Amino acid sequence: GAGVSQTPSNKVTEKGKYVELRCDPISGHTALYWYRQSLGQGPEFLIYFQGTGAADDSGLPNDRFFAVRPEGSVSTLKIQRTERGDSAVYLCASSQAGGGGTDTQYFGPGTRLTVL
Amino acid sequence: QKEVEQNSGPLSVPEGAIASLNCTYSDRVSQSFFWYRQYSGKSPELIMSIYSNGDKEDGRFTAQLNKASQYVSLLIRDSQPSDSATYLCAVSGYSTLTFGKGTMLLVSP
Repeated sequence: GAGVSQTPSNKVTEKGKYVELRCDPISGHTALYWYRQSLGQGPEFLIYFQGTGAADDSGLPNDRFFAVRPEGSVSTLKIQRTERGDSAVYLCASSQAGGGGTDTQYFGPGTRLTVL
Repeated sequence: QKEVEQNSGPLSVPEGAIASLNCTYSDRVSQSFFWYRQYSGKSPELIMSIYSNGDKEDGRFTAQLNKASQYVSLLIRDSQPSDSATYLCAVSGYSTLTFGKGTMLLVSP
């Protein structure tokens, strides 16, 4: 596909459960980003991958959140022991080179997570 | 703590008018500035980027940057009802984007 894809589009889970959210970036993009967007807010940075490694994970709110990108393409955001406050739209973006500057980030459609 | 400030709006303009959206940022080392448009229930879509002081025009859109004042704006000429959306200002330093909360724009026919 031409754009960033994310699955599932919607995820409803119960408090305390574990969830995985998947992102498939634009082919050839080395940088991948995860953001979280709550209602009425702008996207909030979570983690940035350059290739397979997490170049900046300073936005992860606590150790219940973890993300991997084992082969430098698809990434999975993992949330353990979900809480109601984790409910948000989780956005993935990719860019060609990463490292900030003029590199443009392209966003996927997001996964809407609802924790009951 | 990097901050990006925008008026939440809504900013209401009639069709055909100029819409002016404003953004200020706190981090002086910020290098790149972006405007994203986000329709309700959709993901952000890049509409403009600007990297140096001055104006940058692209069709009906003009981005303006003043690094001394830490201010960036977006002008939309000949506003159309289809421009009704939330406009997110984003600022890039060395790696990631910091977003404002967005300004909702409503263009009435």
